[in-house]
Amino acid sequence: KAGVTQTPRYLIKTRGQQVTLSCSPISGHRSVSWYQQTPGQGLQFLFEYFSETQRNKGNFPGRFSGRQFSNSRSEMNVSTLELGDSALYLCASSLAGTAQETQYFGPGTRLLVL
Amino acid sequence: GESVGLHLPTLSVQEGDNSIINCAYSNSASDYFIWYKQESGKGPQFIIDIRSNMDKRQGQRVTVLLNKTVKHLSLQIAATQPGDSAVYFCAVGPGFSGYSTLTFGKGTMLLVSP
Repeated sequence: KAGVTQTPRYLIKTRGQQVTLSCSPISGHRSVSWYQQTPGQGLQFLFEYFSETQRNKGNFPGRFSGRQFSNSRSEMNVSTLELGDSALYLCASSLAGTAQETQYFGPGTRLLVL
Repeated sequence: GESVGLHLPTLSVQEGDNSIINCAYSNSASDYFIWYKQESGKGPQFIIDIRSNMDKRQGQRVTVLLNKTVKHLSLQIAATQPGDSAVYFCAVGPGFSGYSTLTFGKGTMLLVSP
């Protein structure tokens, strides 16, 4: 079974631009979570989607948004990019997103904001 | 909210030694715990998990111990190999009332010398 895939793998943007990242979960998984990983803050939860609905959101500004499609694929968008948004953005999927389910991560998208 | 603490940022061992990586959590209601391994340039890879109704779980060369009294979690790797060199994260689930939101520790870098 194919794992979680994320595209693109690398991105370079400039301040003020916006960016859209894509995640395809493991086949059959309906929950998709997004995390930001930086050297200083580590891995931080952004939001989680299930059946096209955002069920949970972390402590990030409104510039960070996401959506999920009927095939469970998910996108996240960051508008008005800031230098501090440079990070590895990770997507994880699980079957139903319940509290005791294993989440499987993709390889991430590395975003560099100049 | 939950916080997950790191005991050691780096652990250096010799090939063949047993490695122990520790983690502490703050929320006594947490009931799901996971260890991930992250190699350079890759997303976190699931190693092993444990639920709060257990205090020990074994996998292939790995054992996770959970001490709910002191809110402490450890990962033991037997006969450590150079391929085990990576950053290891413990992650804690939100408790029975939450969706799949994981809180991560900062990670321990395991360096294995041949």
